[in-house]
This record gives sequence, structure tokens and C-alpha cells, in this order.
Amino acid sequence: GENVEQHPSTLSVQEGDSAVIKCTYSDSASNYFPWYKQELGKGPQLIIDIRSNVGEKKDQRIAVTLNKTAKHFSLHITETQPEDSAVYFCAASPLNNAGNMLTFGGGTRLMVKP
Amino acid sequence: KAGVTQTPRYLIKTRGQQVTLSCSPISGHRSVSWYQQTPGQGLQFLFEYFSETQRNKGNFPGRFSGRQFSNSRSEMNVSTLELGDSALYLCASSRGTELAKNIQYFGAGTRLSVL
Repeated sequence: GENVEQHPSTLSVQEGDSAVIKCTYSDSASNYFPWYKQELGKGPQLIIDIRSNVGEKKDQRIAVTLNKTAKHFSLHITETQPEDSAVYFCAASPLNNAGNMLTFGGGTRLMVKP
Repeated sequence: KAGVTQTPRYLIKTRGQQVTLSCSPISGHRSVSWYQQTPGQGLQFLFEYFSETQRNKGNFPGRFSGRQFSNSRSEMNVSTLELGDSALYLCASSRGTELAKNIQYFGAGTRLSVL
């Protein structure tokens, strides 16, 4: 089955700096890669996703890059703000999966210091 | 528009008991997935239901089961509880079954503590 590894497990940055979180996956059949943000006491919330036919996707301060050959994808947050502090999860799934089964990375706790 | 509702939010049980958790998806959503979240194992997929049929199942023992009703509400049941079942159980709903076309919305979860 799929295995997703995520690094780092914790990340502390100063407000305004950039943050980068990296994930690797094992199953070459995976071709859908979402990123979720989980705040304390809440469930994960989708913040951005990318499919394997796209190398990069950007949404305001958030961008995701994908390298299918190397089987890794990354989340980039620019101009970080205190409200970006949360746990971030990457995930992978094959698009041809008959269902909504995601394999998640272990999570990264991002702390943005004012 | 109401989000995914999970009840109860907190639950305390003892070893050997059974427990039933409930999930009400967003109106119009027909797919419901369940995940277990623990500090050690992270987020792990339990199972998914669509139109009352189980479509996918994760690698969990048979003590974990679920079902979906005709109104798309779902329940999961854990029998013969073990200490290791202590976790946050998350439910996610989506309109359909293709992830890239149907965003999954998560509920806040039910925190189960087994003593």
C-alpha cells in the first residue's frame, strides 16, 4: 500500500518568513495530493491540492510543487502570519481509486512567532 | 450551510465495552469516510460509505465496523474496546467519490478515551 512520509515534524518561523514542508510517497499509482490544515479542536481543512499532471499550483500565499519522478511534493507558505500556526498534513491517493481513501503523512506542527 | 456534525464530541469508555459514534454529513453529500487520529499513528483511514455501501476499508480489525443510512448519516461501531482505541475519530463527507472533483469536509471529531 501507499506510504507517505512528511518532514519536518515541527517547524518554527518568524512572522513574514517562508515555510516549506516536504512529503514523499511510495506508490507510483498515486496522482492526487491534497494538503490539509488542522487547528486545535477542529478537523482537517483542505487548503490546496495538486494532480500529477501539474507540476505546481499556487493560491495566494500558498503553493504546492510536485516531482513525480522523485515521488515528492512540497507545500510552500510565504509571508507567514500567526494565524498560519497549525498542524499541516499532506496526503496521497490514486485518482482511479474507487472511493475517497487518503493516505496521510505524519503531520507538521507549524509555529509562526510574531 | 451546516458542516459535518459528529456526536458525541467526547466519550469515555472502559476496556471491553462497545461504542457507537455518529456522523451527519453536509446536506447533499453522499460519501462518508471515517479516520482514526492518534499521536503515534497519525491519521489512518478506517472505511468509506457511499449510498449505504462500503466502498473502501482500511487495515483495521473486524472490531471496527460502520454503516450508512438512506439519509447518508453514518455510524461507526467499535466492539470490545482496547486501550489502544483511544483516539480522535474523524468523519469526512463529500458529494461524490472522486477526490479530485469532490472536496472532503471533515467534522471536528469524537474524542474517545478508553480506560
